[in-house]
Amino acid sequence: EVQLVESGGGLVQPGGSLRLSCEVTEFTLRNYEMNWVRQAPGEGLEWISYIGSRGTTTYYADSVKGRFTISKDNSKNTLYLQMSSLRVEDTAVYYCAREDGSGASDAFDIWGQGTMVTVSS
Amino acid sequence: SYEVAQPPSVSVDLGQTAKITCGGNNIGSQNVHWYQQRPGQAPVLVIYRDFNRPSGIPDRFSGSNSGNTATLTISGAQAGDEADYYCQLWDSSTVIFGGGTKLTVL
Repeated sequence: EVQLVESGGGLVQPGGSLRLSCEVTEFTLRNYEMNWVRQAPGEGLEWISYIGSRGTTTYYADSVKGRFTISKDNSKNTLYLQMSSLRVEDTAVYYCAREDGSGASDAFDIWGQGTMVTVSS
Repeated sequence: SYEVAQPPSVSVDLGQTAKITCGGNNIGSQNVHWYQQRPGQAPVLVIYRDFNRPSGIPDRFSGSNSGNTATLTISGAQAGDEADYYCQLWDSSTVIFGGGTKLTVL
């Protein structure tokens, strides 16, 4: 079964750092574009970052630009999100999401279960 | 930056038809996707590129997109359809999500 499994969430103090991982199974990460999406408690979905299949193209939402870095290790079939200078407002469930690789669309066809990040002193 | 607007909530009687809109300037020229998110769960893609259903999604779910409004239609609404629904599109190199619509099945 195609799956995305996030890990690395937890409690961190403001100004701290955290690295999230998203391990993929039953598909080859190098063939897919990937994204991170977050959801603050009781709020809607917020896209935060994209990485191309080769890992050379990245995009970021203004809210995280310069603080977060997306990357992927195709040999490990794992997507990462390095988060630094964390703020209270970064508190959210973080999802990794795969873009449809069929060429039919750029929708997010597979999502992980999410990992919770809490930024608090 | 491009903005889209969804109604915060929509109610529908059991077995009736619900329509959830996503409004934006000339959104009909964009590819719009729709996601369902049940409480405590990850989002699930229910419509891609305006009107296409992924495998496994019931044909009660349909979509349209024209002018300034994209619409997700749920025919014969069931209790299990009660969830938050989000529209999504790409604007240049940025992903835009609507604010979400909470569907209540009465």
